[in-house]
Amino acid sequence: NAGVMQNPRHLVRRRGQEARLRCSPMKGHSHVYWYRQLPEEGLKFMVYLQKENIIDESGMPKERFSAEFPKEGPSILRIQQVVRGDSAAYFCASSPTGYGYTFGSGTRLTVV
Amino acid sequence: AQRVTQPEKLLSVFKGAPVELKCNYSYSGSPELFWYVQYSRQRLQLLLRHISRESIKGFTADLNKGETSFHLKKPFAQEEDSAMYYCALRGDNAGGTSYGKLTFGQGTILTVHP
Repeated sequence: NAGVMQNPRHLVRRRGQEARLRCSPMKGHSHVYWYRQLPEEGLKFMVYLQKENIIDESGMPKERFSAEFPKEGPSILRIQQVVRGDSAAYFCASSPTGYGYTFGSGTRLTVV
Repeated sequence: AQRVTQPEKLLSVFKGAPVELKCNYSYSGSPELFWYVQYSRQRLQLLLRHISRESIKGFTADLNKGETSFHLKKPFAQEEDSAMYYCALRGDNAGGTSYGKLTFGQGTILTVHP
């Protein structure tokens, strides 16, 4: 089992472009969580998804951010029209039940 | 609202010295508390959780509901303990949809000098 896989590890985008971050959960895990770590801050919850459903998106910015976890394929965190303030490390975690997380290595997004 | 506070951003000790990483929380229900560790260039890993009351790599943490604290302790620090440590809280989901959601503190960077 390869663990939670996130790609890319590093992503550079110019202001105004779109960023797509991918998270492949561990085999058998149907719960996915996304967290963001801004410079000098701790991890902040963004969104919780189960297959094809968004369960809790209370931590997602109201605009430009969206997440999905389709029936087939990885979970995608999408940021449209990126701004410098979106530069952060984005971590995904998966779980078989909603408890007992396993984290991915993260994607470091840099907006230039 | 739930909140986790780690008052020390940086903590330095010498090898063999005791170490205590502080964590205080604010939550009205029955929380579950965790410590996560992130070694350099590695992913976040669960170190321990209060309900299991175990010792991992010599670390222990006791939940003190009176003081709303969950401090992480080790009697004799080792150089390989140098890492970022995060305290995290999971609420009891009473009536909510925050099933499994964790609230993290800002983290403490522990450096153990030889």
